[in-house]
Amino acid sequence: DAGVTQSPTHLIKTRGQQVTLRCSPKSGHDTVSWYQQALGQGPQFIFQYYEEEERQRGNFPDRFSGHQFPNYSSELNVNALLLGDSALYLCASSFRPTRVNYEQYFGPGTRLTVT
Amino acid sequence: AQSVTQLGSHVSVSEGALVLLRCNYSSSVPPYLFWYVQYPNQGLQLLLKYTSAATLVKGINGFEAEFKKSETSFHLTKPSAHMSDAAEYFCAVSDLSGNQFYFGTGTSLTVIP
Repeated sequence: DAGVTQSPTHLIKTRGQQVTLRCSPKSGHDTVSWYQQALGQGPQFIFQYYEEEERQRGNFPDRFSGHQFPNYSSELNVNALLLGDSALYLCASSFRPTRVNYEQYFGPGTRLTVT
Repeated sequence: AQSVTQLGSHVSVSEGALVLLRCNYSSSVPPYLFWYVQYPNQGLQLLLKYTSAATLVKGINGFEAEFKKSETSFHLTKPSAHMSDAAEYFCAVSDLSGNQFYFGTGTSLTVIP
């Protein structure tokens, strides 16, 4: 059973550019959440997608946007990159109807470096 | 808003000694609480979770945590540290909707041989 997969593993971009990160959820999961983990910090919630809609959003600017596809995979897009966007971006998947035992499974992350 | 505070960004223990990692939460209602472990260059792995059942929660790799409402704490313990326990540990809280997790800043555990 494949777990959560993310691509690419590493990415280097220049300030002002745009980037797209991809995530495939664990088999059987229908909800995808994205987190930003700056160096030495805990993950910070960006947003969550369920049924192809953004359901909840953390304190991130509109430069951060996302999408969920019918197969439950998801993309995170960041426009007008800033140096401060350099971080590990984590994707987590879960199965929404089992909220009582809510549990997220994390992917290995995409390391984004903005120069 | 929910939040968690992890006391001690770095903890060092000798191999075989007790591991104690501290986490306090801020919530007006009993939340869902989690401990995750992160090894270098990897994602987060769930160690254990509290979801309003037993207050003493047992997880993987010999870890356990106790939910204490009166102290708003959810400290992680392991009786005997192994070298393989060296990693970054994160405490997290989720509100009852389960839609958003709030993570602490992490505690780096070093195990001394």
